[in-house]
Amino acid sequence: KAGVTQTPRYLIKTRGQQVTLSCSPISGHRSVSWYQQTPGQGLQFLFEYFSETQRNKGNFPGRFSGRQFSNSRSEMNVSTLELGDSALYLCASSLGAPRTEAFFGQGTRLTVV
Amino acid sequence: AQSVTQLGSHVSVSEGALVLLRCNYSSSVPPYLFWYVQYPNQGLQLLLKYTSAATLVKGINGFEAEFKKSETSFHLTKPSAHMSDAAEYFCAVSVGGGADGLTFGKGTHLIIQP
Repeated sequence: KAGVTQTPRYLIKTRGQQVTLSCSPISGHRSVSWYQQTPGQGLQFLFEYFSETQRNKGNFPGRFSGRQFSNSRSEMNVSTLELGDSALYLCASSLGAPRTEAFFGQGTRLTVV
Repeated sequence: AQSVTQLGSHVSVSEGALVLLRCNYSSSVPPYLFWYVQYPNQGLQLLLKYTSAATLVKGINGFEAEFKKSETSFHLTKPSAHMSDAAEYFCAVSVGGGADGLTFGKGTHLIIQP
């Protein structure tokens, strides 16, 4: 059974640009969550999608957005990139029901220069 | 609101010694608790989870954790450390129990000395 796949693994962008990250969840999983990991702030929850609807949202500015498609694949978009957006972005998939566990992808390392 | 505190950003133990990584949580509702491990340049791998069944939870690679409500703790232990255990360990709490809105601790870097 294939795991959670995130593409690309590495990205370098310039300040002011926008970026789109992709996440393919485990087959059958309907929930996809996104997290930002930085040395200073640690792991922070961005948002969660379930059956194409945003079900939960963390405390991030509106520049961070996401969506989920009918096949459960998800994309995360960051507009007007700032240096502080440099981070490892992790995607996690789950069945979306209580007491179920999250499976994480390897992440996308975004560097903003 | 919920929060997680991991005591000790770095823990060093000798190979073969007991591993103890501390985690305390705060939650206004009964929590679901998780321990994850992260190897360099990798995502997170679930070690074990507490979802209100048995208070002593056994996980992969010989790790276990005990949920103590009175102490609001969920410490991770392993009787005998192995070199391959060197990694970053994260404790997390969730209200929903799944991947939705996990709140993570800052992490503990486990160093294994030969």
